[in-house]
Amino acid sequence: DVKVTQSSRYLVKRTGEKVFLECVQDMDHENMFWYRQDPGLGLRLIYFSYDVKMKEKGDIPEGYSVSREKKERFSLILESASTNQTSMYLCASSLRTETNYGYTFGSGTRLTVV
Amino acid sequence: GENVEQHPSTLSVQEGDSAVIKCTYSDSASNYFPWYKQELGKRPQLIIDIRSNVGEKKDQRIAVTLNKTAKHFSLHITETQPEDSAVYFCAAPHLGGSQGNLIFGKGTKLSVKP
Repeated sequence: DVKVTQSSRYLVKRTGEKVFLECVQDMDHENMFWYRQDPGLGLRLIYFSYDVKMKEKGDIPEGYSVSREKKERFSLILESASTNQTSMYLCASSLRTETNYGYTFGSGTRLTVV
Repeated sequence: GENVEQHPSTLSVQEGDSAVIKCTYSDSASNYFPWYKQELGKRPQLIIDIRSNVGEKKDQRIAVTLNKTAKHFSLHITETQPEDSAVYFCAAPHLGGSQGNLIFGKGTKLSVKP
């Protein structure tokens, strides 16, 4: 089975801190994604990457950046955490094909910014 | 770009009854429609998907139907059981940009009452 591992299940950070969320997948998937999940808003795409060192903005990139130095690892960075970034963050990966969009999700990181 | 609308946002059924969740999409070129189930505290997991060259797909008690003309697809769960209680998300590919990614509906919280 494809495994997508997020480094932390729960995080509590202070306003203004720089926060790193790490995601690692072990099946050589080209595509990796970061979503945030909020009640009533579903899953919203923050950033995605389809290759090493490549990144594209999703629907809500403001206040976030990403890094993909290795194929298996995709990091989400909150440059200066704010309380409105308190949320569940989900990482996902998929093969890069024209016909297969099947995602595998990580278990999520629940971030609280105080 | 693609827009996915999902209804209802909450659904409560008695054990043994059927449940239907409907999604509409906007991009007529969309060709892949997955459904994810997220149990409380767990990651979203793919439960069934359908491609645009078929109208219906079944897997035991779950089925998905696709109406390309009307641009909607539905998840049908028959003989519901308490373990079907979860949040269900539909999705469709965002075909614009350099790589497709999934746009998710806002989710439906299904409660199956014993």
